[in-house]
Amino acid sequence: DTEVTQTPKHLVMGMTNKKSLKCEQHMGHRAMYWYKQKAKKPPELMFVYSYEKLSINESVPSRFSPECPNSSLLNLHLHALQPEDSALYLCASSQGEGQTNQPQHFGDGTRLSIL
Amino acid sequence: DAKTTQPNSMESNEEEPVHLPCNHSTISGTDYIHWYRQLPSQGPEYVIHGLTSNVNNRMASLAIAEDRKSSTLILHRATLRDAAVYYCILRVSLNYGGSQGNLIFGKGTKLSVKP
Repeated sequence: DTEVTQTPKHLVMGMTNKKSLKCEQHMGHRAMYWYKQKAKKPPELMFVYSYEKLSINESVPSRFSPECPNSSLLNLHLHALQPEDSALYLCASSQGEGQTNQPQHFGDGTRLSIL
Repeated sequence: DAKTTQPNSMESNEEEPVHLPCNHSTISGTDYIHWYRQLPSQGPEYVIHGLTSNVNNRMASLAIAEDRKSSTLILHRATLRDAAVYYCILRVSLNYGGSQGNLIFGKGTKLSVKP
């Protein structure tokens, strides 16, 4: 069982819809991450939050809007997505950003399909 | 770029040891070597990490070459559940394009385990 919980597991939405992905961890970690993974490709980093503040945005389009309401929760708000945004969206957490001797813990992702 | 090179795929028989190689010739002195694996339909899972010395944990062993330019992940007795994509990742300790210390996934090695 993963210690990072993501909901929903699956999401189908139209290009005009607004939806949100949620991620939760209770390990006391202060860094949280969003990754995007296309089929048969490796995960790609999207955003990094450190102590609830956005630390890194890897040039992600504005139709993806992250939010970190508290140290345990991470949201990804979606609006006006394109079919090419269909992918597995992964959340991860770690003790702190940039601590290269500490692992990241991943959730099992939300599989997003854009119609 | 702190890149790694891994074979695209490997095969193993169940209950036999598996040695997964990784080359990282551009590694710097303080970069950690991390291994993650991703089972089908799951998020990546941390396996092991090391800096200079060989490391053992309940999942695997990590053998690091003396010059640190390569490493090998060792699964001592492969099971069907070990069939996954294995990623070897350098955690860069210095600023790297703004993504200090973050996970940059390569293509990984797809391990198949035959009964």
